[in-house]
Amino acid sequence: DAMVIQNPRYQVTQFGKPVTLSCSQTLNHNVMYWYQQKSSQAPKLLFHYYDKDFNNEADTPDNFQSRRPNTSFCFLDIRSPGLGDTAMYLCATSRNRAEQYFGPGTRLTVT
Amino acid sequence: KNEVEQSPQNLTAQEGEFITINCSYSVGISALHWLQQHPGGGIVSLFMLSSGKKKHGRLIATINIQEKHSSLHITASHPRDSAVYICAVSYGGATNKLIFGTGTLLAVQP
Repeated sequence: DAMVIQNPRYQVTQFGKPVTLSCSQTLNHNVMYWYQQKSSQAPKLLFHYYDKDFNNEADTPDNFQSRRPNTSFCFLDIRSPGLGDTAMYLCATSRNRAEQYFGPGTRLTVT
Repeated sequence: KNEVEQSPQNLTAQEGEFITINCSYSVGISALHWLQQHPGGGIVSLFMLSSGKKKHGRLIATINIQEKHSSLHITASHPRDSAVYICAVSYGGATNKLIFGTGTLLAVQP
C-alpha cells in the first residue's frame, strides 16, 4: 500500500547531541511537510518542500534543518537539541495543494 | 482568538449515539480538513472539503462557507471511534499549510 513511513518511531537523545529523523513516501507526492507537535498542543509547521524548493516557516528555530535528496525521502536534522524540542514530529505529503497524508510520527525525547 | 475554534473540547458518548463536532473559522479559506489522531499516534486525514457535504462510511462532514462553520458527524458511534478529532484550515497559496484547531477528545463507551 502507498504510504508515508517515518523512522524511527521513538528516539531518545541527549541534550546537545545531533539527531536525524527520516520520512519516506511511496505516494510520489511532490510536497513534503514537517510538523512539530508538543504535548497537548496542535501541530505546528516547521518547513516544507515544494518539489525541490525549501520553504522555512519564519518562526522555525535555526537549530532545525531539512534535506530532501530525492522525491521519496526527506530528513529533519536537529543540530543541538534542547529539552524544549521534546515532541512528536510528523511528516506529511501532498500532491501539489491537495489533501495531506501523514506518517505515524516520531516521538523524540531529549534528556 | 484562535483562527480555528472547535467545540466541544471533550465529548463522552455511549456506543451507538450520533455525534457532532463543530468547527468555526474566522477568515475565508481554501479548504477545511477533518483529521483523526489516536492517543500517541499519527494523524489520519478524514476529509478535505471546500463546499457542501462529504460522506465516508459512518462519517459525514459538512461546511457552510457563508457562516464559516463546519461539522463532523459520526453515526452509530463505536468505541474504536475514540480519538482526537482535529479541524484544520488551509488558505492555498505556495505553502497550503494547515492551521489546526485545538481538537476534540472523543471517548465512546461500550
